[in-house]
Amino acid sequence: GDSVTQMEGPVTLSEEAFLTINCTYTATGYPSLFWYVQYPGEGLQLLLKATKADDKGSNKGFEATYRKETTSFHLEKGSVQVSDSAVYFCALSAAANAGGTSYGKLTFGQGTILTVHP
Amino acid sequence: NAGVTQTPKFQVLKTGQSMTLQCAQDMNHEYMSWYRQDPGMGLRLIHYSVGAGITDQGEVPNGYNVSRSTTEDFPLRLLSAAPSQTSVYFCASSRHGTSGRGEQYFGPGTRLTVT
Repeated sequence: GDSVTQMEGPVTLSEEAFLTINCTYTATGYPSLFWYVQYPGEGLQLLLKATKADDKGSNKGFEATYRKETTSFHLEKGSVQVSDSAVYFCALSAAANAGGTSYGKLTFGQGTILTVHP
Repeated sequence: NAGVTQTPKFQVLKTGQSMTLQCAQDMNHEYMSWYRQDPGMGLRLIHYSVGAGITDQGEVPNGYNVSRSTTEDFPLRLLSAAPSQTSVYFCASSRHGTSGRGEQYFGPGTRLTVT
């Protein structure tokens, strides 16, 4: 079945440091890929997405590129801020032609806790 | 626009009790789902629905029941609570449920403790 693996956490950085959170996936066909963010005490919200190979999703200074050849979707930000402290989840949604039970179901990685210090 | 709402925010149950977690959305989304979030395990799908009157099981359905009588509402019922059901529960909805391309909108969550 589909699966998502994220780098082990937690990650602790100083403000303005470079961030990478690794994400790899296993899926049939061409899934859509997502990064969701969960701020303390809140629900998840979509950070960025990519729906086909070589697409780059970007938002709020974060970027991730859909790499079909390495089945990866690593999250990067050039200069993190204290306000970026949150839990980050990589997720995939099965391809439309993966079968009748694929209806938009999200498969999540285990989440990576990011803490940014001033 | 309220988006996805969940009630209650917090709940404590004793083993064997039953309860219903409420979820509602006002975006006319066809697809709705319930997830549970446990430390180190990400979110796991419990049940989902692709429209009123249609529900199906996700990855971890045992001990939970759902129904979808309207497009707006998707309640999750715990039939006989167990300590293993202590978790944070999230409801989500999506417009592009059948294509897998759509963004899912999450509610704020319900934190459930079973003693």
